[in-house]
Amino acid sequence: GAVVSQHPSWVICKSGTSVKIECRSLDFQATTMFWYRQFPKQSLMLMATSNEGSKATYEQGVEKDKFLINHASLTLSTLTVTSAHPEDSSFYICSARYRTRTGNEQFFGPGTRLTVL
Amino acid sequence: GNSVTQMEGPVTLSEEAFLTINCTYTATGYPSLFWYVQYPGEGLQLLLKATKADDKGSNKGFEATYRKETTSFHLEKGSVQVSDSAVYFCALSDWGDYKLSFGAGTTVTVRA
Repeated sequence: GAVVSQHPSWVICKSGTSVKIECRSLDFQATTMFWYRQFPKQSLMLMATSNEGSKATYEQGVEKDKFLINHASLTLSTLTVTSAHPEDSSFYICSARYRTRTGNEQFFGPGTRLTVL
Repeated sequence: GNSVTQMEGPVTLSEEAFLTINCTYTATGYPSLFWYVQYPGEGLQLLLKATKADDKGSNKGFEATYRKETTSFHLEKGSVQVSDSAVYFCALSDWGDYKLSFGAGTTVTVRA
């Protein structure tokens, strides 16, 4: 099946620094990738839709200058949390859209745990 | 806007027990409905889906029927196994699988 990886799987950083998270589709090309954020015991919240070669589309309430998304190739999207603060600590999950026999489907990465000290 | 409400966990069951996880939704139009499963240490995987009213999605012994009249998509399995221990997420999308809205997730633990 289609595999999506994320790197790193966890990261700890100091307040004020920037952190980059990579999302890769390993065995397929994805023109569309999605970034989600998940708080403990809560649902996944869609942050933005990343389209290859164009600017990301952010959901209402998500600061685009805070969460920079770059979809530079058909297999890689990156999320950079700029000037991170403790309130940015969360679990970040990406997914990539892929056409299967039964229609379009999202394949999810394993997630990245970010802790900001 | 769209929203999904699912049964709070955690749920603990014995092997071969019957599992039901309730899921109700609010949406404009005619959404597609999904159940995703997340096994420990892995990413979310699509378990089953239904794209229109009265459709039944099924996979790995799990079933869910799209009930428009009750805006529900409850997940059921007749006889669970230890390997079914995971977090289950109900989700919907207005347009195929684009822009998913998720429920909070239900943690299921099956004991031998």
